[in-house]
Amino acid sequence: AILMTQSPSSLSASVGDRVTITCRASQGIKNDLGWYQQIPGKAPKLLIYAASSLQSGVPSRFSGSGSGTDFTLTISDLQPEDFATYYCLQDYNYPLTFGQGTKVEIK
Amino acid sequence: QVQLQESGPGLVKPSQTLSLICSVSGGSISGDFYWSWVRQPPGKGLEYIGYVHYRGTTYYNPSLKSRVTISIDTSKIQFSLKLSSVTAADTAVYYCARRQKLSRGDAFDIWGQGTMVTVSS
Repeated sequence: AILMTQSPSSLSASVGDRVTITCRASQGIKNDLGWYQQIPGKAPKLLIYAASSLQSGVPSRFSGSGSGTDFTLTISDLQPEDFATYYCLQDYNYPLTFGQGTKVEIK
Repeated sequence: QVQLQESGPGLVKPSQTLSLICSVSGGSISGDFYWSWVRQPPGKGLEYIGYVHYRGTTYYNPSLKSRVTISIDTSKIQFSLKLSSVTAADTAVYYCARRQKLSRGDAFDIWGQGTMVTVSS
């Protein structure tokens, strides 16, 4: 199975900050990567798919980039509702595998 | 708008079989969708369990393959998960989700709210 490693595991940031989360795959996965946001007690929500495609209805302050093994999720102008845990997911091959998550906390 | 809703027992005894149903509303279950299950142990990350397609094709994560069955009932517009010989390690929130091909790639675009299943005697 492909191992997905996210960094950092957690971070503290303030409203208005620019935040970057990285995800590294243990082998090349082209651009078959998604980013999901999970608020405590809620189901994950799709933000980005195919590494850089913004899901319909998701604010444009979320963006994704990368290909191959290294990927980035950027949140520009962090908002109060963005404090959550973010997961990357590779869907290049089965079994699909998630990163361990990055918790974005309020500074 | 398509919605998913999990249902099933919240408490299962060790060695027994966990059974959950995901009801699909607001849309068709018979399309090019991969109806999936994902679970999340308390305080931990997400684990992919597997999928069923309406044509009957299935895939199971090798880590659970010997114990998992995912099936679909198109007449009832629902799909189900069975996990046998459960232990405390199977205690988790279980999510059903729809995976489909979007304009540029695949993704889980719709999720159920999740249901907590505890394995305990």
